[in-house]
Amino acid sequence: QVQLQQSGPGLVKPSQTLSLTCAISGDSVSSNSAAWNWIRQSPSRGLEWLGRTYYRSKWYNDYAVSVKSRITVNPDTSKNQFYLHLKSVTPEDTAIYYCARDQMRHFDNWGQGTLVTVSS
Amino acid sequence: IVMTQSPATLSVSPGERATLSCRASQFVSSNLAWYQQKPGQAPRLLIYGASTRATGIPARFSGSGSGTEFTLTISSLQSEDFAVYFCQQYNNWPLTFGGGTKVEIK
Repeated sequence: QVQLQQSGPGLVKPSQTLSLTCAISGDSVSSNSAAWNWIRQSPSRGLEWLGRTYYRSKWYNDYAVSVKSRITVNPDTSKNQFYLHLKSVTPEDTAIYYCARDQMRHFDNWGQGTLVTVSS
Repeated sequence: IVMTQSPATLSVSPGERATLSCRASQFVSSNLAWYQQKPGQAPRLLIYGASTRATGIPARFSGSGSGTEFTLTISSLQSEDFAVYFCQQYNNWPLTFGGGTKVEIK
C-alpha cells in the first residue's frame, strides 16, 4: 500500500523559498511507471497542479507555466522521497500543498496536505 | 483546458440519486478523473478513464461521458458520500481540475 507523508514548515515569509518534503512508502521514487507530483489548493485558485518529477531511464520534470520560473521538484533516491521548492513566494502562494502519485496522469495516492501560509 | 462543474451545490436526501456534471472547454477524449474530498482530507480518486472505478470504490459510483461532457452518478447516496467532488482532465498539459460540486444533505 502506497503512503505519502509530507513534512515542512507551515509559515514562510514573503520573498523566501517554500520547501516541502514528501516521503514515499510502498513504492519507489525511481519507479518506471509512476510520477511524483505537487498540487496545491486554495479558495481563490481551487486545485492547481504545480509540477512533477519522474524517472524513465533518466529524470524528467514537468511544471505548470504559472510557476515555472520559481519551482523545482526533485527526487532523493537515497531517502525515497521528493521535494518541492518554490522561491520568491508571495501571499498568493498561501494554500494547502499536497504531494501525489500519478501513474497515468491522474492521482491515485495523496499526501495528507500541508497548510502553508506566506506572511511576515 | 478549463473544467466547469455544475451545479456548485447539490442538495440530496440520503438514498436518492445524485448526478454531477463536468464540462471541458476542449476535447479531452476519455482522459477524465473524478475525486471525492471530505473536510480536512486530501482528495480521493473515484473514477479514471471517465468510467473506470478506482480500487475499492463502491459500485454506486459510476462515471460516463467522453469528449467534453462528463457525468458522475451516485446511485443511492450514503451518509459518507456527502462531500465535494472534483473532475480533472489529463488529456492536455497542464493537468486541470474543475471547481467542484458540493453534495450536501437535503
